[in-house]
Amino acid sequence: GAVVSQHPSWVICKSGTSVKIECRSLDFQATTMFWYRQFPKQSLMLMATSNEGSKATYEQGVEKDKFLINHASLTLSTLTVTSAHPEDSSFYICSARNRQPWETQYFGPGTRLLVL
Amino acid sequence: KQEVTQIPAALSVPEGENLVLNCSFTDSAIYNLQWFRQDPGKGLTSLLLIRSSQREQTSGRLNASLDKSSGRSTLYIAASQPGDSATYLCAVRWSSGAGSYQLTFGKGTKLSVIP
Repeated sequence: GAVVSQHPSWVICKSGTSVKIECRSLDFQATTMFWYRQFPKQSLMLMATSNEGSKATYEQGVEKDKFLINHASLTLSTLTVTSAHPEDSSFYICSARNRQPWETQYFGPGTRLLVL
Repeated sequence: KQEVTQIPAALSVPEGENLVLNCSFTDSAIYNLQWFRQDPGKGLTSLLLIRSSQREQTSGRLNASLDKSSGRSTLYIAASQPGDSATYLCAVRWSSGAGSYQLTFGKGTKLSVIP
């Protein structure tokens, strides 16, 4: 089956620094990628949707300038958490899909971010 | 507001027991419903997808049902095994509304199967 990887799997950073998380589709072209955020014992919350070569569409309440998303190629999307603060500590999961079947999303293993 | 609810939040059963996980959703105009498995600190694995026109889907020891009129879905696991221990997430894709065609997740049910 289709595989989505994320790097790094976990990261610890100091408050005020920026962190970049990569999401790659390994064996298919990801025309659309999604970024989710999950707090402990909470559901996955969609942060943004990006189509290759286009600007990301952010969900209501998600700060565009804080969570920078780049979907520069059909196999790579990056999420950069700028000027990270402790409240940004969370589990970030990316998901990718091809044009067909459009309803099939493949999920990455997630990245655990801890901001000190 | 379109919401997905999973009760209970946690469930513990002895090995070999059959069990049912519940999922309810607030709007019956769904496009499809999906059950996922999430192991601790890991991503999601899709288990079953039920389209709006379907009543159930089966895969091995798993059976998922869908009742749109009552806004409910169940995931039945037969002959549970310790390896089934994980958090099970229900996600709905609605065909209309603010978040249409996007997956909306429940908080999950954490299942522990005791040897």
